Amino acid sequence: DSGVTQTPKHLITATGQRVTLRCSPRSGDLSVYWYQQSLDQGLQFLIQYYNGEERAKGNILERFSAQQFPDLHSELNLSSLELGDSALYFCASSVRSGTDTQYFGPGTRLTVL
Amino acid sequence: GEDVEQSLFLSVREGDSSVINCTYTDSSSTYLYWYKQEPGAGLQLLTYIFSNMDMKQDQRLTVLLNKKDKHLSLRIADTQTGDSAIYFCAETYYGGSQGNLIFGKGTKLSVKP
Repeated sequence: DSGVTQTPKHLITATGQRVTLRCSPRSGDLSVYWYQQSLDQGLQFLIQYYNGEERAKGNILERFSAQQFPDLHSELNLSSLELGDSALYFCASSVRSGTDTQYFGPGTRLTVL
Repeated sequence: GEDVEQSLFLSVREGDSSVINCTYTDSSSTYLYWYKQEPGAGLQLLTYIFSNMDMKQDQRLTVLLNKKDKHLSLRIADTQTGDSAIYFCAETYYGGSQGNLIFGKGTKLSVKP
């Protein structure tokens, strides 16, 4: 158990809908990262927050957004969902940023029908 | 751009050693990681190495780094059926505020009894 929690574990929804994925980092960690794992693209970095502020952006679609709250938990919002958004979404956390080791949560499996 | 490459499959017999290889593109100051993903599970950090090291050993795991060729390997001694999983090589950068990981596609290790 990495200490990073993600909810829900599974999510099934329809095209065009909006969902919110939640992540709680390990106690004491200030950085949260979101990654998407799909069969065709592999594991891709989406976005990083550090102590409430956006720190880095990767291959995140404009339909996706995220935020980190004062208690350091983070939410990833996915809207206007398409079939291709079906994937495993992982959250990771680290103490600070830069090269600190990232610990991953168990992931949320999103299925868009 | 940055890229991490791994072979996709490896099959070994129980009790043999497994060697999973990875090549990366970035240069000087880099941390390199090995993560393990079992079916339906998240990413478990196995070990990591900084690019000023040549080797790191941790119980059955040995990481070798050839900086000249930008080649990283993970050796698992006395491979067990419980080691069957997908192994991801990942790199990140030292010194910057950005700390996202760049992953290879993963090597699926199958251990035959």
